[in-house]
Amino acid sequence: AQSVTQPDIHITVSEGASLELRCNYSYGATPYLFWYVQSPGQGLQLLLKYFSGDTLVQGIKGFEAEFKRSQSSFNLRKPSVHWSDAAEYFCAVGTPNDYKLSFGAGTTVTVRA
Amino acid sequence: NAGVTQTPKFRILKIGQSMTLQCTQDMNHNYMYWYRQDPGMGLKLIYYSVGAGITDKGEVPNGYNVSRSTTEDFPLRLELAAPSQTSVYFCASGLSGENTGELFFGEGSRLTVL
Repeated sequence: AQSVTQPDIHITVSEGASLELRCNYSYGATPYLFWYVQSPGQGLQLLLKYFSGDTLVQGIKGFEAEFKRSQSSFNLRKPSVHWSDAAEYFCAVGTPNDYKLSFGAGTTVTVRA
Repeated sequence: NAGVTQTPKFRILKIGQSMTLQCTQDMNHNYMYWYRQDPGMGLKLIYYSVGAGITDKGEVPNGYNVSRSTTEDFPLRLELAAPSQTSVYFCASGLSGENTGELFFGEGSRLTVL
């Protein structure tokens, strides 16, 4: 079965600084990979996804992620963080022909002025 | 377009009570899911459905039941509430094919069992 690990529980970043969130997955073949964001008191919203093709994928809100097969990673990045990016971020993995996602434990991002 | 609607948003139950969390989606999605979210644990899949009349267990189904009589509705029932079921519950819906994994979530239902 597939699984995903987010090594960082909490990250604090200054507004305007860059952000990188780590995600490592476990799966024998090429998985489907996702990043979701959860603002306080809200449900999760899809930021971006990777199924195949170009390993650098662009998402909403200025986020991007890079799939690295050799490292089994799918790290999320943003060049310049805004205060509104304070939220919890979840990496998730799925597989072709499966309808279920496995979520990581999440990384909480705090943005300081 | 309402998306995925969950009710209630908050509920306090006593041990042994029963209740149903309601979930409705208006996007005509075949797939629907119930997750629970506990601090530091991410989301765990309770039950899912690939279409009306079809349901299956996820990672943590014990203590819960579901039904899917229509495409739109996917209620989650707790029969004998236990403190271990204190959690935030999320309903989600999604598509298949090239959109597999793109889930749309409700705003959550916070349940406390005392």
